Amino acid sequence: AQSVTQLGSHVSVSEGALVLLRCNYSSSVPPYLFWYVQYPNQGLQLLLKYTSAATLVKGINGFEAEFKKSETSFHLTKPSAHMSDAAEYFCAVGHSGGVADGLTFGKGTHLIIQP
Amino acid sequence: DVKVTQSSRYLVKRTGEKVFLECVQDMDHENMFWYRQDPGLGLRLIYFSYDVKMKEKGDIPEGYSVSREKKERFSLILESASTNQTSMYLCASSGPPRGEQYFGPGTRLTVT
Repeated sequence: AQSVTQLGSHVSVSEGALVLLRCNYSSSVPPYLFWYVQYPNQGLQLLLKYTSAATLVKGINGFEAEFKKSETSFHLTKPSAHMSDAAEYFCAVGHSGGVADGLTFGKGTHLIIQP
Repeated sequence: DVKVTQSSRYLVKRTGEKVFLECVQDMDHENMFWYRQDPGLGLRLIYFSYDVKMKEKGDIPEGYSVSREKKERFSLILESASTNQTSMYLCASSGPPRGEQYFGPGTRLTVT
């Protein structure tokens, strides 16, 4: 069975500082992984995805994530935080092989940007 | 542009009412999903469908049912709404294997 752990329900960084959101997963098969962002009162929007190509994945809005198999991690980073990055971020692991591809989500990390 | 729409953004219902939440996607996707989102719990899968008239239970199906009569439409039904079903409900769809899910804007349901 798959599971996702996001370390830190809330992360606060200063504007212009590095953003690091942590995600660890467990999966019994080679995983495919996603990061989604949710702005207030909106649905989830895909930031980036890993599907066994390059281990460093670039996404929208300057975010990127690195897949590290040995650490079972898929941490999300951005070199310089912007006020508009304030949102909820979800890591998800995909699992296929059943009747439909499903996703297991982490509990989310609320990113706060301090001016 | 990819689009998943949900019938209502906000809904207020009384305990015991039958509630219908509608979701429509325009991407010709086979798979559709219903999640509920609660603070501190993330997203939890209620039901999903991989084809017309086909459905599978997710992690928390109790108190819910679904209907998929057409490929583009997936409905979530609360047979008798209860206050513990007050939540944000998110619909999603996906197509290719190992592909991402596309989400609707969500319906915030309050049961009083």
